[in-house]
Amino acid sequence: DAMVIQNPRYQVTQFGKPVTLSCSQTLNHNVMYWYQQKSSQAPKLLFHYYDKDFNNEADTPDNFQSRRPNTSFCFLDIRSPGLGDTAMYLCATSRDTGGASHTQYFGPGTRLTVL
Amino acid sequence: GQQVMQIPQYQHVQEGEDFTTYCNSSTTLSNIQWYKQRPGGHPVFLIQLVKSGEVKKQKRLTFQFGEAKKNSSLHITATQTTDVGTYFCAGGGNNRLAFGKGNQVVVIP
Repeated sequence: DAMVIQNPRYQVTQFGKPVTLSCSQTLNHNVMYWYQQKSSQAPKLLFHYYDKDFNNEADTPDNFQSRRPNTSFCFLDIRSPGLGDTAMYLCATSRDTGGASHTQYFGPGTRLTVL
Repeated sequence: GQQVMQIPQYQHVQEGEDFTTYCNSSTTLSNIQWYKQRPGGHPVFLIQLVKSGEVKKQKRLTFQFGEAKKNSSLHITATQTTDVGTYFCAGGGNNRLAFGKGNQVVVIP
């Protein structure tokens, strides 16, 4: 089945220790998104790739970086995690043809805990 | 930037009763999407509304998009325990979604 896969599902890291979360998709969608969701809050968009074009949200800290080496994979790098970065990180994909937003398909998320 | 507000934030609903959750935007939306997130799960797409005044039904769920394309509602009839979760509306435009804070629904058996 076509799907969005995130690894790992759970990650514990120490304060300041870099961590990388991965997302892969078999949907062949051209847009990939990274969201941060804290407990009982809405998903907050960090950035997205439209094909190879990276689009950062204005309020996303520099501590968060992303890479998309090919259509199928996208990585979220947190260079120096702080305690406030403890959250669920959701990857999503969509097939967008320009302008209007289309359905987003979410992965199961990676629950990150920073100690 | 685009913002959508959802009310109420929390609802306790008796099994078998109906409830409605609302979504409002200060700006005109190109489209609105609704997602459901079960406890411990990830958001799952329910529906997209595009046209002014559009109404769509999915079994016990009725979705409406306002005439001015600034508000939307989700009405669920005969609530079941499987309806538990958080319902998010999201305003669409420019390849990104602006999520509301969600309406967390607890179903009382």
